[in-house]
Amino acid sequence: AQSVTQLGSHVSVSEGALVLLRCNYSSSVPPYLFWYVQYPNQGLQLLLKYTTGATLVKGINGFEAEFKKSETSFHLTKPSAHMSDAAEYFCAVNLQGGSEKLVFGKGMKLTVNP
Amino acid sequence: DGGITQSPKYLFRKEGQNVTLSCEQNLNHDAMYWYRQDPGQGLRLIYYSQIVNDFQKGDIAEGYSVSREKKESFPLTVTSAQKNPTAFYLCASGAGGRGEQYFGLGTRLTVT
Repeated sequence: AQSVTQLGSHVSVSEGALVLLRCNYSSSVPPYLFWYVQYPNQGLQLLLKYTTGATLVKGINGFEAEFKKSETSFHLTKPSAHMSDAAEYFCAVNLQGGSEKLVFGKGMKLTVNP
Repeated sequence: DGGITQSPKYLFRKEGQNVTLSCEQNLNHDAMYWYRQDPGQGLRLIYYSQIVNDFQKGDIAEGYSVSREKKESFPLTVTSAQKNPTAFYLCASGAGGRGEQYFGLGTRLTVT
């Protein structure tokens, strides 16, 4: 079985503070991992992805994530939050085996306070 | 512009009526997907199609139907058998393999 865990549903930070959104996965095979962002009443936009190679992945809008196999984690970080980062963030893992399905976490709503 | 177009953005229906949500893509992707999003539940896969004229059930296919007659189009019908149809529906496409998916802006369906 393959699943994605995003603990909690809401995180609040101050503008300029570090953003850390946690994602853990369970998979019996090397995963492909993704972070998506969703603004209110919009679709999902890809922030970054890990497939193979370098474990520190940089994405759009200053976000990055590090794949840690030993911890089965793929946490999303940004050094300094901006008001425009307020959105919902989803971690997803690819279901390996040719079926091309993504399994999504339940999402984390990020609030940025001035 | 290349992308995924979902229409309409908002849809209102009476209970007992079937309703069809449109999804069109011009990215030349082979694979297309339909998800349902409810608050606090993330995205749940309804149906997906990896090639024209073929599709598979996802995790919550009951009460839904799809067709894939053209590469560009993957309409979703929400039937009267779906017990809780009010939700936000997202369509996505992908080039295949284990790569990322690209999403439309969604359709918010309200059934009363």
